[in-house]
Amino acid sequence: GQNIDQPTEMTATEGAIVQINCTYQTSGFNGLFWYQQHAGEAPTFLSYNVLDGLEEKGRFSSFLSRSKGYSYLLLKELQMKDSASYLCAVRDPGDKLIFGAGTRLAVHP
Amino acid sequence: DTAVSQTPKYLVTQMGNDKSIKCEQNLGHDTMYWYKQDSKKFLKIMFSYNNKELIINETVPNRFSPKSPDKAHLNLHINSLELGDSAVYFCASSQDLGGEAFFGQGTRLTVV
Repeated sequence: GQNIDQPTEMTATEGAIVQINCTYQTSGFNGLFWYQQHAGEAPTFLSYNVLDGLEEKGRFSSFLSRSKGYSYLLLKELQMKDSASYLCAVRDPGDKLIFGAGTRLAVHP
Repeated sequence: DTAVSQTPKYLVTQMGNDKSIKCEQNLGHDTMYWYKQDSKKFLKIMFSYNNKELIINETVPNRFSPKSPDKAHLNLHINSLELGDSAVYFCASSQDLGGEAFFGQGTRLTVV
């Protein structure tokens, strides 16, 4: 079966660092995406990991461990505009994306 | 300048009606998708087309029929709408199957 787990909600303070975890059990793996989705808007691409390790892109970093079925998205220097849902998605061997339910992040002043 | 555009943005209709949602992308991508996002915010793939050819067809009722007249367009027609069809439908495109996807702004369908 396919299972992707993320925390439902998280809160953090402006200027802080937050880590959003994603664990997956899928029949096959061909990469992992993180998308950001503001309320009422479309998801937008943040990162893609296919090999183990850390990918850094500005304030956002994403980490992958294929042996542990685990990824995290790290957001640094949090800003109010980072309040959004963060979706973890696994790309299966058929190149289909399987999304988790998303983590709703609220950033407070 | 919109990369992936879909219309309409909102659609309210009665049970039993037939409706269509249109999608166009100007990114020159080969692959287009339809996703459904339900009230619990799960985003699930419905269909994927590559160069007008159906590649992925998830377990979706036959009432849903995608049509791709060319690789820049992927429309979704829904027959005999049911209450459970209420959701946000997102069109998306990517350069290759399963690659970085660009999403349209979504169509919020409400069946009453």
